[in-house]
Order: sequence, then structure tokens, then C-alpha cells
Amino acid sequence: EAQVTQNPRYLITVTGKKLTVTCSQNMNHEYMSWYRQDPGLGLRQIYYSMNVEVTDKGDVPEGYKVSRKEKRNFPLILESPSPNQTSLYFCASSTDRGSTDTQYFGPGTRLTVL
Amino acid sequence: AQTVTQSQPEMSVQEAETVTLSCTYDTSESDYYLFWYKQPPSRQMILVIRQEAYKQQNATENRFSVNFQKAAKSFSLKISDSQLGDAAMYFCAYRINFGNEKLTFGTGTRLTIIP
Repeated sequence: EAQVTQNPRYLITVTGKKLTVTCSQNMNHEYMSWYRQDPGLGLRQIYYSMNVEVTDKGDVPEGYKVSRKEKRNFPLILESPSPNQTSLYFCASSTDRGSTDTQYFGPGTRLTVL
Repeated sequence: AQTVTQSQPEMSVQEAETVTLSCTYDTSESDYYLFWYKQPPSRQMILVIRQEAYKQQNATENRFSVNFQKAAKSFSLKISDSQLGDAAMYFCAYRINFGNEKLTFGTGTRLTIIP
């Protein structure tokens, strides 16, 4: 089954404690992206990757890091989480840019930073 | 910068009736896509319908259809024969057809279905 998986689904942590949210897709997609969803703001892009070892900032990258060492995985790293990073996070992937294919979303990760 | 505006934070409709959700966007590009996503209480993002900007014909998917007015930069979603399972947050989204394929989302419309 074609899917995007994220782990963990729920996480409560404390300020400053490094954490990683994993994202994996089994569709051999080149493009992957991270979004955060906040009430009244919709979803906003954090980082994206066009392919292995190619990543770039989205609209709200501050406080986040990513890596793309393998095509299927695109982890989101919070080196020193702060309460303003409490949010719902989505990973998404899609195939070649310019195609009509849409982005497939993971199930979301609810992060709370105390 | 591209922006997407959904001016209706909440809407409600009687079961089996028709409802239209509004969306406007701003862009200087000519090659782009528009989408409606549904987010039920499970929080999963589910694609409802998409429209290529170069196509004049409005997209339809079963009970869901769009009214795409390119010149007016308007992209509304019509849900016919509303069902209880349609209750969700609906997001309008825009994407250019080159470079970073990020989706730019509106702030969403919460749709309630009244039995």
C-alpha cells in the first residue's frame, strides 16, 4: 500500500530536549516536504527536498533541521525545541515536479513542548 | 508571494442539501494547480479535488465540483447531497508547477452537517 508514515504520532517533551520526527514513504518519490499546522494559520511549509542530499528552506524554517540521505526518508529535527514549536506536523511526498501528481500526506505528528 | 484566502471560517448545511465553500488566491503565475483538501477529526489530510489552471473545464469528483474562475482568481468547492461524513475542515491550496512544489494553504473552513 502506497503511504507516508510518520513517527511518533504524539509526543510531549520539554524545552531544549532534542527530538527527531521520522518520515518515510514507499512510493519512490523525489519530492518530500514538512508542514506545520496551527489554528487560524492553515499549513505552512517548513523545509522541502527535491531529491537525495537536496534540501531547502520553506516559509517557517527557524528552529528546524532536516536531512535527506536516502530517498525514502526525510526526518525533521528540532535541536532545542521551544513552546512555540508546539504544533501538528505533516510530512508529504510527491513524484517528479511538474507532474499532475498530488502530494501524499502522512498521518501527522502532534508535538507539545512544555 | 502567493496567498490563498478562505473568508468563511465556519459553514453549516442541512444533510442532503448543497453547500459552497469559497476560496480566492493571488498569484502572478500562469501555470499552477489548485486543490481542496479535507481534514476530518482524525486530522488526516485527504485530497478532495484538484484543478489544473490551464484547463477551462471545472473539475468534478462525484458529489464534489469546483467553480474555477481564473480571471477572478476564485476557486469555490460545491458539495452536493451533503452527508454526515462530509463534516470536516476544508482547506483550499495552491501550487506552482515548477521549482519548490510547496502547497500554499488557506486558513480553512469548518463544515458542519446538520442531520
